[in-house]
Amino acid sequence: DAGVTQSPTHLIKTRGQQVTLRCSPISGHKSVSWYQQVLGQGPQFIFQYYEKEERGRGNFPDRFSARQFPNYSSELNVNALLLGDSALYLCASSPIWDTDTQYFGPGTRLTVL
Amino acid sequence: AQRVTQPEKLLSVFKGAPVELKCNYSYSGSPELFWYVQYSRQRLQLLLRHISRESIKGFTADLNKGETSFHLKKPFAQEEDSAMYYCALSGYGQNFVFGPGTRLSVLP
Repeated sequence: DAGVTQSPTHLIKTRGQQVTLRCSPISGHKSVSWYQQVLGQGPQFIFQYYEKEERGRGNFPDRFSARQFPNYSSELNVNALLLGDSALYLCASSPIWDTDTQYFGPGTRLTVL
Repeated sequence: AQRVTQPEKLLSVFKGAPVELKCNYSYSGSPELFWYVQYSRQRLQLLLRHISRESIKGFTADLNKGETSFHLKKPFAQEEDSAMYYCALSGYGQNFVFGPGTRLSVLP
């Protein structure tokens, strides 16, 4: 198993645009979480999905949305991009939704100009 | 509210010296505590979690509920331990909360 995979690796957008980030969990994992990591800070929780339902949402504006598909892969969408959205976006999967070890992907580096 | 603090942004020690990375948390229930590590150009990965009570790569961490701490320790640091270390917390039905991280630099 290749572990958690994310695409694309890097992305450059301009203010006001929209972006979609993708994540494939480890085979057999049903929970996917999204984190934003700004340079010099720890990962900040955005969303958790389990069995295609939202199980948790962090303190992020409604411009951020996500969904999980029947194969447990997930997308994170960010609308009306701001300069402050520039960050590394991490996806993590776990077998179940609760307090379980998170397995992280390599991240997508988003730069907003 | 859940919160994790790591007071040191950077910790430098010499090879063979003991190392302690500090982590304090605030949580009203019984949390699960974790240490994650990120080596240069690698993804974030689990180092250890308190319920497993394991020693991974010579590191140990003890949960002190009285002091609400989960400090990471290793008696003899190695150069390959140089990395970014994040303490994290999760509670039942709660989301993961990560600390800001401590960069450990082990000098030869």
